[in-house]
Amino acid sequence: DIQMTQSPSTLSASVGDRVTITCRASQSIRSWLAWYQQKPGKAPKLLIYKASSLESGVPSRFSGSGSETEFTLTISSLQPDDFGTYYCQQYYSYFALTFGGGTKVEI
Amino acid sequence: EVQLVQSGAEVKKPGESLKISCKGSGYSFTTYWIGWVRQMPGKGLEWMGIIYPGDSDSRYSPSFQGQVTFSADKSISTAYLQWSSLKASDTAMYYCARLISSSSPMDVWGKGTTVTVSS
Repeated sequence: DIQMTQSPSTLSASVGDRVTITCRASQSIRSWLAWYQQKPGKAPKLLIYKASSLESGVPSRFSGSGSETEFTLTISSLQPDDFGTYYCQQYYSYFALTFGGGTKVEI
Repeated sequence: EVQLVQSGAEVKKPGESLKISCKGSGYSFTTYWIGWVRQMPGKGLEWMGIIYPGDSDSRYSPSFQGQVTFSADKSISTAYLQWSSLKASDTAMYYCARLISSSSPMDVWGKGTTVTVSS
């Protein structure tokens, strides 16, 4: 199985800060990476797919980059609504998609 | 509106069986995959596997193979996740989500079903 490792596990930042979360894959996944946001008690929400494509309706302050084994999710100017936990997920492996361990963003 | 509606919270005893559901609407249910994701209390997301409701082709994560069963009834646009003998360690939130292919992001999610297994 492809292992996904996120860092940091927890991040504290202020409103207006630029925030970056990193996700590393144990082998190349080309650009087959998605990012999700999950708020407490809610289902995850798709933010980014194919490493850098913004899902419809997601604010433009979110962006993704990277390829092969190194990926980043950036929030250009952190807003109060952005608290929650962020997960990366690889979908390179057919039938064996895996998530990273999550990054909790505290405002 | 595209949505997945999951069945309500369940409280069961160890050894009991359980089947939870995920009903799709607003899209062609038989041409998308449904994935299942477990989230244990205070923990991250775990990929359980996927099912194609069009022909019930199912693929399981090795961690869940033999522990759960996926099924679908395309006549009522509903997918199911089933246990034959629950354990306390099955206590978790279970999400279903839609995938356009067997290797794609999960673009629409159900709200989740909480399963509590306790004697």
